[in-house]
Amino acid sequence: DGGITQSPKYLFRKEGQNVTLSCEQNLNHDAMYWYRQDPGQGLRLIYYSQIVNDFQKGDIAEGYSVSREKKESFPLTVTSAQKNPTAFYLCASSGGLHYEQYFGPGTRLTVT
Amino acid sequence: AQSVTQPDIHITVSEGASLELRCNYSYGATPYLFWYVQSPGQGLQLLLKYFSGDTLVQGIKGFEAEFKRSQSSFNLRKPSVHWSDAAEYFCAVGATGGGNKLTFGTGTQLKVEL
Repeated sequence: DGGITQSPKYLFRKEGQNVTLSCEQNLNHDAMYWYRQDPGQGLRLIYYSQIVNDFQKGDIAEGYSVSREKKESFPLTVTSAQKNPTAFYLCASSGGLHYEQYFGPGTRLTVT
Repeated sequence: AQSVTQPDIHITVSEGASLELRCNYSYGATPYLFWYVQSPGQGLQLLLKYFSGDTLVQGIKGFEAEFKRSQSSFNLRKPSVHWSDAAEYFCAVGATGGGNKLTFGTGTQLKVEL
């Protein structure tokens, strides 16, 4: 059953700690994306990767880091430098000709 | 750069009534356009997509959308809404080149009254 998995669904951290969110896909897609979602603001692109070992900053990359060592995996680290990390994080992948993206179920991160 | 506007933040309709959610885009070339739906606490599900050809596209769950180039619009419609359609709906436009990025609107929250 192909799809995108994100874990965990809920994550709680103390301020000042780095935290890594997992994203795995078995759709054989080349491109993967991380978005942040806040109420009333839609989805904002954090980072994206078109191919293994390569990634680019999106619109709000400050305070985040990523890696793309395997085609299937695109983990996101929320660092202590991110001023307001509490949000809903969505991972997506794309392999179609016309840019449609497929989304994982999301991770809700709460930092206190 | 491309942009998407969803002018309605909230819409309430009665079950069985028709629905139209508005989406306007800004993009220099022929756009790739999408509608996604999101239930609370969930990821986004692709409803339908437009690339070229027939300007009326059919999607899942009985939804359709019409691309109107002259109005830069891609409105989502459903003839008869079901209570299970209550969710948030996002319109998105795709950029050619540059990583297959999508630009999303801010969403329209649909409430269905029984």
